[in-house]
Amino acid sequence: ETGVTQSPTHLIKTRGQQVTLRCSSQSGHNTVSWYQQALGQGPQFIFQYYREEENGRGNFPPRFSGLQFPNYSSELNVNALELDDSALYLCAGGVQGANTEAFFGQGTRLTVV
Amino acid sequence: GEDVEQSLFLSVREGDSSVINCTYTDSSSTYLYWYKQEPGAGLQLLTYIFSNMDMKQDQRLTVLLNKKDKHLSLRIADTQTGDSAIYFCAESSPNTGNQFYFGTGTSLTVIP
Repeated sequence: ETGVTQSPTHLIKTRGQQVTLRCSSQSGHNTVSWYQQALGQGPQFIFQYYREEENGRGNFPPRFSGLQFPNYSSELNVNALELDDSALYLCAGGVQGANTEAFFGQGTRLTVV
Repeated sequence: GEDVEQSLFLSVREGDSSVINCTYTDSSSTYLYWYKQEPGAGLQLLTYIFSNMDMKQDQRLTVLLNKKDKHLSLRIADTQTGDSAIYFCAESSPNTGNQFYFGTGTSLTVIP
């Protein structure tokens, strides 16, 4: 049990639609990172939020955006969905500066048709 | 620093040792990690090593780090069927919290 929960667990969307994925972390986690894991690949870093501001971004276009809330929850929003966005999306809660204290959720499996 | 490479597959017999290898490119990496992912599950941190260390042992797990060659390995002693999973190495830079760069993953199959 990592203390990080994601919802929904599975989701099917149509190309061009928008989607919001949610992550709830445990008290004290002041950073959250999001990852995209395509089938058969390693997780790819999308972005990190720290104190409700974006604090680092991987090689993802602006249609991937996020929010972090004071209650240790966060959202990943993806606009104009493409077929290649089909993947497992993972969030990780942690503490800024404590690189070894990251806890991953179980992920949301997004399928774009 | 985002290029992390691993071999894709490894198959071992139960009771043997498994060695999973990883190479990375970012010399500023401070922490190097091994994560385990079972089917349908998230990522479980197995162990990590600081870049100023050469070796770390944690029960059945031994991590070796060769900084010169930027090579990391994970040895699992007395491999069990429950060790069958995908193993990812990952690296992060100083003070970046949970910003990790993962390898492609090695699928370990343990044959009874």
